[in-house]
Amino acid sequence: AQSVTQLDSQVPVFEEAPVELRCNYSSSVSVYLFWYVQYPNQGLQLLLKYLSGSTLVESINGFEAEFNKSQTSFHLRKPSVHISDTAEYFCAVLGSGSARQLTFGSGTQLTVLP
Amino acid sequence: DGGITQSPKYLFRKEGQNVTLSCEQNLNHDAMYWYRQDPGQGLRLIYYSQIVNDFQKGDIAEGYSVSREKKESFPLTVTSAQKNPTAFYLCASSTRGLAGNLHNEQFFGPGTRLTVL
Repeated sequence: AQSVTQLDSQVPVFEEAPVELRCNYSSSVSVYLFWYVQYPNQGLQLLLKYLSGSTLVESINGFEAEFNKSQTSFHLRKPSVHISDTAEYFCAVLGSGSARQLTFGSGTQLTVLP
Repeated sequence: DGGITQSPKYLFRKEGQNVTLSCEQNLNHDAMYWYRQDPGQGLRLIYYSQIVNDFQKGDIAEGYSVSREKKESFPLTVTSAQKNPTAFYLCASSTRGLAGNLHNEQFFGPGTRLTVL
């Protein structure tokens, strides 16, 4: 079985400040890791993913996440946030076993304040 | 434009009624999924289908049913047996990848918000 824990349900931050959204996972097999973003009343959009190779992955809009196997973490960071980054962010894990279900965390609401 | 459409966007249902949520994709994806989203609980998998005429129960399948008669379509029926159906429902699709592995990116539709009156 696998699980995902997002430690913060709400993260308020001022515009142009840095932000870190935390994600920890547990799994008995090797995993693939994802961050999705959801704007109000919309579906989810893939922000970035770790499948293999370099442990630091980046998105096109300035977010990055680092896969840390020893700490079983995949925290999402951005050095300077914008008002438009206000959204809910979901961390998800896909195990490499036969079940292969995508398991989501409970989400973190990022609110960027002017 | 390729993508996933869900209809209706908002749906109201009286207690005891069955309702069907539509999900259509023109991405030529083999795999399709239904998730339920409740505040503070993230997404939970209801059903998924890896190929036409085949589907599997997810974590919370009780009170729901699906069909997969066409590659493009994966409708979800919320039956009267579902005790707490008010939620936001999301449909997704993905390619199957090599050897049937479901490791590829899932693309999501815009969702249907179901409210039971």
